[in-house]
Amino acid sequence: GENVEQHPSTLSVQEGDSAVIKCTYSDSASNYFPWYKQELGKRPQLIIDIRSNVGEKKDQRIAVTLNKTAKHFSLHITETQPEDSAVYFCAASIPPALGAGGTSYGKLTFGQGTILTVHP
Amino acid sequence: DGGITQSPKYLFRKEGQNVTLSCEQNLNHDAMYWYRQDPGQGLRLIYYSQIVNDFQKGDIAEGYSVSREKKESFPLTVTSAQKNPTAFYLCASNPGLAGGPLHSEQFFGPGTRLTVL
Repeated sequence: GENVEQHPSTLSVQEGDSAVIKCTYSDSASNYFPWYKQELGKRPQLIIDIRSNVGEKKDQRIAVTLNKTAKHFSLHITETQPEDSAVYFCAASIPPALGAGGTSYGKLTFGQGTILTVHP
Repeated sequence: DGGITQSPKYLFRKEGQNVTLSCEQNLNHDAMYWYRQDPGQGLRLIYYSQIVNDFQKGDIAEGYSVSREKKESFPLTVTSAQKNPTAFYLCASNPGLAGGPLHSEQFFGPGTRLTVL
């Protein structure tokens, strides 16, 4: 099955700096890559996602890049703020037609998470 | 809060007991999921269901059981066979195959923190 590796496990930056989190995946059939943010004690929330037919997607200070050949994708946060401090998870998903018995629809495999700390 | 709820927020279990975690959604979503979250290990899939009366094992199903008798409900039972059940349990849902886009956001509940005494 799919395996997703995420690095680094912890990341500490100064306010205003950029932060980059990287993930690699193993199944070349994966074509959907969301990023979730989880604040302490709260539920994960989707912040951005990308599909394999695009290489980059931006939403204000957040961007995600995808390299299908190398099977890795990255989250970029610019002009970081203290409220960006949280745990960030990447995930990957394969389309149902290629899943075992067609039952893998929407099944996400998550990375281990990155604890981002933004110091004021 | 996204229309997906979990109860209780905190749960304490004695060794040898079965406990059931509740997950309810009013989003009319077909697909529902249960994850376990441990420090440093991300979210691991326990069970998932794409439609009523059907569910599939995830990556760590041993010691757990589920049912999907109603579209809006997907309860998880942690059995005494689960050797290390202390963890944070998250339920999620998404529209599923009937939702249109091939893949869409999973909406998470607030979680249940289970502690074995």
